[in-house]
Amino acid sequence: NAGVTQTPKFRVLKTGQSMTLLCAQDMNHEYMYWYRQDPGMGLRLIHYSVGEGTTAKGEVPDGYNVSRLKKQNFLLGLESAAPSQTSVYFCASNTPGPFYEQYFGPGTRLTVT
Amino acid sequence: AQSVTQLDSQVPVFEEAPVELRCNYSSSVSVYLFWYVQYPNQGLQLLLKYLSGSTLVESINGFEAEFNKSQTSFHLRKPSVHISDTAEYFCAVSDSGYSTLTFGKGTMLLVSP
Repeated sequence: NAGVTQTPKFRVLKTGQSMTLLCAQDMNHEYMYWYRQDPGMGLRLIHYSVGEGTTAKGEVPDGYNVSRLKKQNFLLGLESAAPSQTSVYFCASNTPGPFYEQYFGPGTRLTVT
Repeated sequence: AQSVTQLDSQVPVFEEAPVELRCNYSSSVSVYLFWYVQYPNQGLQLLLKYLSGSTLVESINGFEAEFNKSQTSFHLRKPSVHISDTAEYFCAVSDSGYSTLTFGKGTMLLVSP
């Protein structure tokens, strides 16, 4: 099992460019999440999905869009990147229920210049 | 709403010394509590969790945490740390009403020889 994988690992964008981050999991998990991690801020939830075809906003959704067309994939899109979106992005997945641990991907380091 | 406070952003200790990383939470309902660890340039992985039952929970690598409902705390301890324990540690909480985790801002444990 590969677990949770993220593509790409690194990316540099210019302000205004767009990109999509791909998250894939092979554990048949219903729930998937996108977080951003910034120094001194911990992890903040951007968007999440409780099943194929469903998405919901988290704590910091502005400037991002997501799609869950297939159960195993969760895409995070930046339509017009801004320097404030420079961050490390983590995807996670788990079985439904507040007591199940989340499994995290290795992260994508994004720099917006 | 849930919140998690990790009072120490950084804890420096010498190898073989004991350590305590503090975590306090606020929630109006029953909670589930987690400690995650992030080694340099990696994603997060579960260290231990409290769901119910015994208030003392242990991990396989010598860490333990005690759930204290009256003080709304879930402090992480280890009696003797190793260099390899150098990492960032995140406390997180969920409750029966939510499918998402709320993370603290993290505590960087720096173990030196």
